[in-house]
Amino acid sequence: DSGVTQTPKHLITATGQRVTLRCSPRSGDLSVYWYQQSLDQGLQFLIQYYNGEERAKGNILERFSAQQFPDLHSELNLSSLELGDSALYFCASSATSGATGELFFGEGSRLTVL
Amino acid sequence: GENVEQHPSTLSVQEGDSAVIKCTYSDSASNYFPWYKQELGKRPQLIIDIRSNVGEKKDQRIAVTLNKTAKHFSLHITETQPEDSAVYFCAASASQAGTALIFGKGTTLSVSS
Repeated sequence: DSGVTQTPKHLITATGQRVTLRCSPRSGDLSVYWYQQSLDQGLQFLIQYYNGEERAKGNILERFSAQQFPDLHSELNLSSLELGDSALYFCASSATSGATGELFFGEGSRLTVL
Repeated sequence: GENVEQHPSTLSVQEGDSAVIKCTYSDSASNYFPWYKQELGKRPQLIIDIRSNVGEKKDQRIAVTLNKTAKHFSLHITETQPEDSAVYFCAASASQAGTALIFGKGTTLSVSS
């Protein structure tokens, strides 16, 4: 158990819909990262937050947004969903603000868009 | 931004053989190079990492080498066992604010007994 909690574990929805994925980091970790894992695409970095502020941004679509709340949990919002958004979405946390330390991954949220 | 290329995409070995996975990176500012293992249906987990001030690091049957001049680093697994079968990801990042840990596309290692 990494200490990172992600909900929901599975989500099935239709094209055009909006979903919210939630992540609670390990106790004491201030950084939260979101990654998308699609078949053959590895782990694509989406966005990082540190203590409530956006720290780094990857290839995150404009239809996607995220935030980190004062209690340090984070939410990833995906809107106007397309078939290609079907993927496993991982949240990870770390103790440092920079990306030069171990990331602890949650179990992931599997999104299926029909 | 950083780009990490990883080869091969699949690797099949016999139990007891060695396995080598290679990665190259593009950003000369990168100074942290971890390797993650993802077993089927599980989350990625760190197995070993190396920083730019070190050329090689070893942990039992796993070793990582780094060549900063050539911008490549490799994972070496000796005496492979069936439980080593998994997807392995290399990654790179720098210390500057605004950078993130960028992963390669992964190598699926299959160890047959």
